[in-house]
Amino acid sequence: KAGVTQTPRYLIKTRGQQVTLSCSPISGHRSVSWYQQTPGQGLQFLFEYFSETQRNKGNFPGRFSGRQFSNSRSEMNVSTLELGDSALYLCASSLKWGTYNSPLHFGNGTRLTVT
Amino acid sequence: SQQGEEDPQALSIQEGENATMNCSYKTSINNLQWYRQNSGRGLVHLILIRSNEREKHSGRLRVTLDTSKKSSSLLITASRAADTASYFCATDYRETSGSRLTFGEGTQLTVNP
Repeated sequence: KAGVTQTPRYLIKTRGQQVTLSCSPISGHRSVSWYQQTPGQGLQFLFEYFSETQRNKGNFPGRFSGRQFSNSRSEMNVSTLELGDSALYLCASSLKWGTYNSPLHFGNGTRLTVT
Repeated sequence: SQQGEEDPQALSIQEGENATMNCSYKTSINNLQWYRQNSGRGLVHLILIRSNEREKHSGRLRVTLDTSKKSSSLLITASRAADTASYFCATDYRETSGSRLTFGEGTQLTVNP
């Protein structure tokens, strides 16, 4: 079974631009969560989607948004990029949402650099 | 604020030695998970321990959970250079807007050959 796939692997953008990151979950997994990882803040929860609906959202500004498609693939978008948005963005999939009695399966992330 | 905090932040040992990492959390949990992350990669699940369990083993890994102290420890026995990675604990954190899995700051483990 293929793992979680995130594209692109690396991205370099300029301040003010917008970016879209993609995540394909493990087949059969309907929940997709997004995390931002930075050296200073660690792993911060962005949002979780299940059955095309956002189920929970972290404390990030409205510039961060996401969506999930009917095939469970998910995208996240960051508009008006700031230098502080430089981070590793991780996507994780699981069978269910809201209960964490089974592992999350992570992709290898998208490394976003904002210059 | 982070639900979990790992201690120590960094640990350097020799191959063959045991490594112990600790995690403390703030609110009651249903379960606690440990993950490993190799540099620049995604997280890999290691072990899950439920709140009604006190100890769990998986190969060279041993996890304990003390809900009265709100703490957990991960022991890696007979460490290998390949165990060099960051280790994170994660807990299910419930708030009014819903639940989420929250991660600690991580322990950077270096195993020297």
